[in-house]
Amino acid sequence: DTAVSQTPKYLVTQMGNDKSIKCEQNLGHDTMYWYKQDSKKFLKIMFSYNNKELIINETVPNRFSPKSPDKAHLNLHINSLELGDSAVYFCASSQSLGQNYGYTFGSGTRLTVV
Amino acid sequence: AQSVTQPDIHITVSEGASLELRCNYSYGATPYLFWYVQSPGQGLQLLLKYFSGDTLVQGIKGFEAEFKRSQSSFNLRKPSVHWSDAAEYFCAVVLLYTGGFKTIFGAGTRLFVKA
Repeated sequence: DTAVSQTPKYLVTQMGNDKSIKCEQNLGHDTMYWYKQDSKKFLKIMFSYNNKELIINETVPNRFSPKSPDKAHLNLHINSLELGDSAVYFCASSQSLGQNYGYTFGSGTRLTVV
Repeated sequence: AQSVTQPDIHITVSEGASLELRCNYSYGATPYLFWYVQSPGQGLQLLLKYFSGDTLVQGIKGFEAEFKRSQSSFNLRKPSVHWSDAAEYFCAVVLLYTGGFKTIFGAGTRLFVKA
């Protein structure tokens, strides 16, 4: 039973394409996140949702659009992909918004834009 | 600015030797601090966390960390390293902002274990 699952695990696509990454958690958590990890392993938060409501929207190009149909799912759609979008994208969840909750991460989606 | 710093990009230790990974934070209030481990090709796994109380916290896989307010540090330790501990380790701090809280990660320390 995977707690936070992301699909696909690998995604190779051409510049200009539109792609989506899906994330689902079966932990009953209220809050979900998208993080981007660059080639130097630096993790940067992109978005967070709490009970389907957008809470954090960092300085991310508007080509990136998250969607949360319910609190167990948080998908990421990317339009007009660029070379610089190549990275590993992690979905994570936490019990709630409070500061004392650690995150449970998915295993990541490695996106390569060629 | 509020931040978390991991001074060591990578560390190599011999199997069976002790380990200490450094983490320093910059935050005005009492921080909420975490350590995560990332094995190759995997997501991050929570090792331990500190909010208040006893400054020495125990985590999974035999790890512990000590919060030292005077040094703004939260270093991760393990008395005897196993080859399977080779991974990337991330320190994180939870920051309060206008919308709530968000977690900021350090740049990570890569641990190599030699036989």
